[in-house]
Formats: sequence, structure tokens, C-alpha cells
Amino acid sequence: DAGVIQSPRHEVTEMGQEVTLRCKPISGHDYLFWYRQTMMRGLELLIYFNNNVPIDDSGMPEDRFSAKMPNASFSTLKIQPSEPRDSAVYFCASSLGSRKTGELFFGEGSRLTVL
Amino acid sequence: DAKTTQPPSMDCAEGRAANLPCNHSTISGNEYVYWYRQIHSQGPQYIIHGLKNNETNEMASLIITEDRKSSTLILPHATLRDTAVYYCIVRVAGAGFQKLVFGTGTRLLVSP
Repeated sequence: DAGVIQSPRHEVTEMGQEVTLRCKPISGHDYLFWYRQTMMRGLELLIYFNNNVPIDDSGMPEDRFSAKMPNASFSTLKIQPSEPRDSAVYFCASSLGSRKTGELFFGEGSRLTVL
Repeated sequence: DAKTTQPPSMDCAEGRAANLPCNHSTISGNEYVYWYRQIHSQGPQYIIHGLKNNETNEMASLIITEDRKSSTLILPHATLRDTAVYYCIVRVAGAGFQKLVFGTGTRLLVSP
């Protein structure tokens, strides 16, 4: 299996622009997570889905952020409009809920820089 | 989920055992101890988890005290590639309990 695939790996944009980050989870996994990592705040859980349905979005910072999962093999995290403080590495992860280990598999991340 | 406390940083000589402690004094009976690590610029990687018995796999060993209030992750022969941030996380396992909340972790530096 190719693992969790994220794109783009790097994104540089200007303040006010729309940013869309993409994630393809591991085939067969029914949970998908979006995390954000910064030096100041560490790894923060933004939102997670189960069977394409958002379960907990309490970590989404504000209305500028939105996440969707239209099908089991694709999810997007959108920021509109972007601000410099959104600069971070965004990680997507997936897991198989039926496994008691609860292991999450992470992608390589998308490094976002907002100028 | 129970809170965990880890030292912010540790050093280890290459080839020696690295023992990373974690305190979780408020752990509940149905909560597991998980360890993940994050090598620079990569996504976190699962290492091991346990409930109350000691566990070992190809990456590490996990020692959980009898009262379950603390645990130690052991890397038996640390290499330079083990330099990473190690996260100890406590949470309930099983379907419906997938959420992982990361703390600040321990930054392990393995030196030649």
C-alpha cells in the first residue's frame, strides 16, 4: 500500500488567497484525521471523519477553515481567505476503526507558507 | 483522556539503551498507553502500545508500572536515526475511540 498521500507537499501563497490541501487515506481505512503542527502550538487535531462523516471539528480554528470528505478515498482541507498565521505543516492521517490497536498512519504533510 | 507528563529533552549515546519516561497518574482502567515518534519533517509514526502488561516489538519495549501511573519506552540499542520527538499518549482503544491528542513529547538526541 502506498500509505497516506498528501498534496501539495509545499505551498507558498499570499495572504487572502484560497488554499486547498488534499489527502488520500489508506484504502479500507474508515477514519481520517487532519492535524496542524506549528512550533508554538505543536500538533493540533483539527477535525476527524468516520465513514466520510465529520465526527469532531472542535479543533477547527475558525470559519475560514473547512474540511470535506466526499468519498472514502479523498478529503480536502480548505482555508479561505488564508492568513500568515495559518503557516504550518498540515498532516492527514487515517486508521481502521475495527482494529483495537488504534494505530494512526500519517502522511508526509503539506507545508503551507502564507506571505 | 488522561494527561501525560514527559521530560522535554533527553540525550543518549549511539548503541546505548534509551529509556524514555512518561507519567500518567490519572490514567483510567480502560485507557491504553501509546507511543509515537516524529522524525524531523516527517509525520508521526506509531511505535507501540500497551494496557498493563509489558510489550515488545521490533522497534521498542514498553514497561508499564503495576499501578499503571507511569511507563517507560525503551529503545535497546539507539541509533542516530532514532533522533526524534517521542510522544506518550493515553487514551481508550477500540472502535469509536480513534482520536489521538498529542502533547509536547520528549526530544531525544542520539549522539555518536
